[in-house]
Amino acid sequence: SAVISQKPSRDICQRGTSLTIQCQVDSQVTMMFWYRQQPGQSLTLIATANQGSEATYESGFVIDKFPISRPNLTFSTLTVSNMSPEDSSIYLCSVALQTGGRPPGELFFGEGSRLTVL
Amino acid sequence: KQEVTQIPAALSVPEGENLVLNCSFTDSAIYNLQWFRQDPGKGLTSLLLIQSSQREQTSGRLNASLDKSSGRSTLYIAASQPGDSATYLCAQTQGGSEKLVFGKGTKLTVNP
Repeated sequence: SAVISQKPSRDICQRGTSLTIQCQVDSQVTMMFWYRQQPGQSLTLIATANQGSEATYESGFVIDKFPISRPNLTFSTLTVSNMSPEDSSIYLCSVALQTGGRPPGELFFGEGSRLTVL
Repeated sequence: KQEVTQIPAALSVPEGENLVLNCSFTDSAIYNLQWFRQDPGKGLTSLLLIQSSQREQTSGRLNASLDKSSGRSTLYIAASQPGDSATYLCAQTQGGSEKLVFGKGTKLTVNP
């Protein structure tokens, strides 16, 4: 499986500020995904980060609030903009591997970034 | 709309017991069914993936099954250990997409 590193692992932020989360993978991957896990809830897909094109956002998520960069096949960032307490969540990066004999569509996740907005 | 349901929400068992976690899904056009483990405050660890053409997958003490006709998957854990304590999540994808739809998980506690 891939090694997926996320930074920061956790942060406490003030209302109205923005924070950028980084996701680094140790191998090239075509598709990277960003998920949100609100307290006590399951994971919800925010967007698909496409290399060389704009991210594809799911219903209820917009680029102005969650801008995403994907400068190459091993790295992506997610920014949470103008944060409010409702944005307090774990944000997780996910990738699909097509090499190493893995079955198609198997997804792997980073350790997550736990944000608390005061 | 795809929905994934996991019952029970929480389960507590004594060490050594065999147990079954349940996952049901509404979309019969399932492509993959993947089981994950999540430790408190951590990311997800992939446990098993079952493709739509498969009926089950095994890894060590874990066995996952898939019944598309009834819209169900189960995760069987044999001889449970305290280290198995975690939240177990199931998620499905449709063909042509690698987007996962997750259940809310089952929080498992294995008591020594």
